[in-house]
Amino acid sequence: AQSVSQHNHHVILSEAASLELGCNYSYGGTVNLFWYVQYPGQHLQLLLKYFSGDPLVKGIKGFEAEFIKSKFSFNLRKPSVQWSDTAEYFCAVNAGDSWGKLQFGAGTQVVVTP
Amino acid sequence: EAQVTQNPRYLITVTGKKLTVTCSQNMNHEYMSWYRQDPGLGLRQIYYSMNVEVTDKGDVPEGYKVSRKEKRNFPLILESPSPNQTSLYFCASSETGYQPQHFGDGTRLSIL
Repeated sequence: AQSVSQHNHHVILSEAASLELGCNYSYGGTVNLFWYVQYPGQHLQLLLKYFSGDPLVKGIKGFEAEFIKSKFSFNLRKPSVQWSDTAEYFCAVNAGDSWGKLQFGAGTQVVVTP
Repeated sequence: EAQVTQNPRYLITVTGKKLTVTCSQNMNHEYMSWYRQDPGLGLRQIYYSMNVEVTDKGDVPEGYKVSRKEKRNFPLILESPSPNQTSLYFCASSETGYQPQHFGDGTRLSIL
């Protein structure tokens, strides 16, 4: 069965620091890849998505992610975080043989200190 | 305004008492899905629906039922709730593709 792994459960960093969150998946075929964000007390929002084409994907709020097929990875990055980026971040994958099915990683709680 | 509306937002109930969590979207989306969110486990998909009368199981369908008789509504039914179904539930819909774009505000269920 396919799985999605997020390497860090908690990340604490200071404002202006760079952020990189790891995501790996186990499915070997065609995949669609997503990052979602959940701000405290809010529902999830889609940050960015990758279907095909340029493996470097830009999303909202200055986030980007890079798909590296050989490493089965889709890491999320932001060059300079702000306090308002404090949130939980989820990687998600859906696989080519079942497009409606979506698997999420366990999430990474990011705390940005002023 | 584009909305996914879930009701109730909070519910405390007892084991075995059937309950329904409603989900309605006003965007004419074809794809809708249900998730439960538990600490340390992220979100797990319960059921999804590609269109009216088309539903399929996600990763954790046991103990749940769904129906999709109209495009806008996708209720989640717990026929005989048990304490291990205590969780935060989210409904979502999507305009294009099969990834959720719009989430409801969540329903926190406590089964005693």
